[in-house]
Amino acid sequence: NAGVTQTPKFQVLKTGQSMTLQCAQDMNHEYMSWYRQDPGMGLRLIHYSVGAGITDQGEVPNGYNVSRSTTEDFPLRLLSAAPSQTSVYFCASSFLGGTIYFGEGSWLTVV
Amino acid sequence: EDKVVQSPLSLVVHEGDTVTLNCSYEVTNFRSLLWYKQEKKAPTFLFMLTSSGIEKKSGRLSSILDKKELFSILNITATQTGDSAIYLCAVVGSGTYKYIFGTGTRLKVLA
Repeated sequence: NAGVTQTPKFQVLKTGQSMTLQCAQDMNHEYMSWYRQDPGMGLRLIHYSVGAGITDQGEVPNGYNVSRSTTEDFPLRLLSAAPSQTSVYFCASSFLGGTIYFGEGSWLTVV
Repeated sequence: EDKVVQSPLSLVVHEGDTVTLNCSYEVTNFRSLLWYKQEKKAPTFLFMLTSSGIEKKSGRLSSILDKKELFSILNITATQTGDSAIYLCAVVGSGTYKYIFGTGTRLKVLA
């Protein structure tokens, strides 16, 4: 049972580098989203999508881009990494309004 | 703007105590409220409460939703050390379908 799969699990980047966090789900969920979690901050929504071809900004979108060309995939791109983007990133998916399922998380450090 | 506020931010209790965690919210076109438990990795689902299901119970955990006063509580009775975790509350509305999380309550249960 794959569920929500995120890669990579760990990554160290230098300031200014770009990278893509991959997310795939095999549950045919319409909703997909990216959250970041910093100590004491809970989960903050970066971007989300309610279907292929549709994306929207969440609470903290600056410095990140997303696209949703298929139902299954929702990659998150960091355009020019900054130390403030050091965080744990979670991808999540659900049927609209239903239980949301999380990937295992990606630990990103920007030095 | 959709908003979720959880209290207390942290809580330390002894095994056997009963705890009550609070979640207040503001959301346009409320659809559901969800509770999650997060230990070291990704959040895991506990309960979903909707207009048609305002009370849920599973073993020592129970939750109620007050749609008039816009809050929910999560009760844990006879706490155990394994209940130590961050408890997250999220809401989703039928307009945007985006899931907004609170900052969480960090619960520590001492033996």
